[in-house]
Amino acid sequence: QKEVEQDPGPLSVPEGAIVSLNCTYSNSAFQYFMWYRQYSRKGPELLMYTYSSGNKEDGRFTAQVDKSSKYISLFIRDSQPSDSATYLCAMRRNTDKLIFGTGTRLQVFP
Amino acid sequence: EPEVTQTPSHQVTQMGQEVILRCVPISNHLYFYWYRQILGQKVEFLVSFYNNEISEKSEIFDDQFSVERPDGSNFTLKIRSTKLEDSAMYFCASSVESLGPKNIQYFGAGTRLSVL
Repeated sequence: QKEVEQDPGPLSVPEGAIVSLNCTYSNSAFQYFMWYRQYSRKGPELLMYTYSSGNKEDGRFTAQVDKSSKYISLFIRDSQPSDSATYLCAMRRNTDKLIFGTGTRLQVFP
Repeated sequence: EPEVTQTPSHQVTQMGQEVILRCVPISNHLYFYWYRQILGQKVEFLVSFYNNEISEKSEIFDDQFSVERPDGSNFTLKIRSTKLEDSAMYFCASSVESLGPKNIQYFGAGTRLSVL
């Protein structure tokens, strides 16, 4: 079983839709959870960071962590064509290295 | 907004040659990282570095790889004898702290290494 599983997509939605992106993980030692956005041939850009179960909101983005189910989600409200990118979940135990999911490619069409 | 800067953006080299990838971390950050992303695959941790020492390294980071902070601003990754399978995007990242909630890693735009 992979440490971090993420559906690679692609996910194609119309502009204005609510997008739900998910990752599951197998190791309960993960404590810190991140979502990065990556445009083609660019570096990962941090979107959301959380380290407790529950929801965290920032503008159109909401990160959700359910440690009991080992499941994290990123919701994007009112999606825009500029949101078209690959979304990477990443997580960390109490060490310094990040473990990434494979990324979900999102396409928002006008 | 401060950012991690990587040079060059694209490096082409012949198999067996040495390459040095360069990074300028965010100025008040003390912890530095290299990650690799082979085309179509996930981002993978290579090495973390603090206070002129490697903190942790992955099994990918074998004797062909080395890291150095040659001065107060640069952080480099050297691959001594490149192989075809080293072709990938290499990302540098930095953070204020290592453990705990303040380890928030910011990434550079990457160097695309092509080994021919």
